[in-house]
Amino acid sequence: TQLLEQSPQFLSIQEGENLTVYCNSSSVFSSLQWYRQEPGEGPVLLVTVVTGGEVKKLKRLTFQFGDARKDSSLHITAAQTGDTGLYLCAGSGSARQLTFGSGTQLTVLP
Amino acid sequence: GAGVSQSPRYKVAKRGQDVALRCDPISGHVSLFWYQQALGQGPEFLTYFQNEAQLDKSGLPSDRFFAERPEGSVSTLKIQRTQQEDSAVYLCASSSGGGARYEQYFGPGTRLTVT
Repeated sequence: TQLLEQSPQFLSIQEGENLTVYCNSSSVFSSLQWYRQEPGEGPVLLVTVVTGGEVKKLKRLTFQFGDARKDSSLHITAAQTGDTGLYLCAGSGSARQLTFGSGTQLTVLP
Repeated sequence: GAGVSQSPRYKVAKRGQDVALRCDPISGHVSLFWYQQALGQGPEFLTYFQNEAQLDKSGLPSDRFFAERPEGSVSTLKIQRTQQEDSAVYLCASSSGGGARYEQYFGPGTRLTVT
């Protein structure tokens, strides 16, 4: 069974601060995705990384896939209140379904 | 051009009642997935369809859970004799291809509360 562990589980920061969320596994994934979910809504795809060592940037968000394709990180620069939400990493391996981490609840305070 | 839609958005059922949850995937999407999400947790896989074929139902927690997609488009997740532990958000996702690398797009979910 492939498991993904996310840390931290909860994160509360002031607007303008930087933060990093981690997603780790002992298993290799063929690709890894990051989602953001707001209350009462489904997860919304932010990015997909497929190559070990890959770095993708989406405005103030930087995503990195580990060289061994077992871990990933999400870094947010100068967080804004609109970044508040549940951040989920999800990996796909041999099976078609996604394996999700337990999520990081981010609160950005004004 | 609409996204994945689900209905109802909220459902309250008394313990022992049967419920049916509907998913309308993005038009033309081959694959359809159902996930269950407990409060404050990540979604967990329930079952997967490719067109009308249910290829994987390994995540269904018991034989009270049943899913179908008879025409390869709309899908229904049915839960018989609901129990309190079935309370969760049920998410549907669709993707354009059958491989693991095709991105999944999620609906807003159905929040089921069993009283």
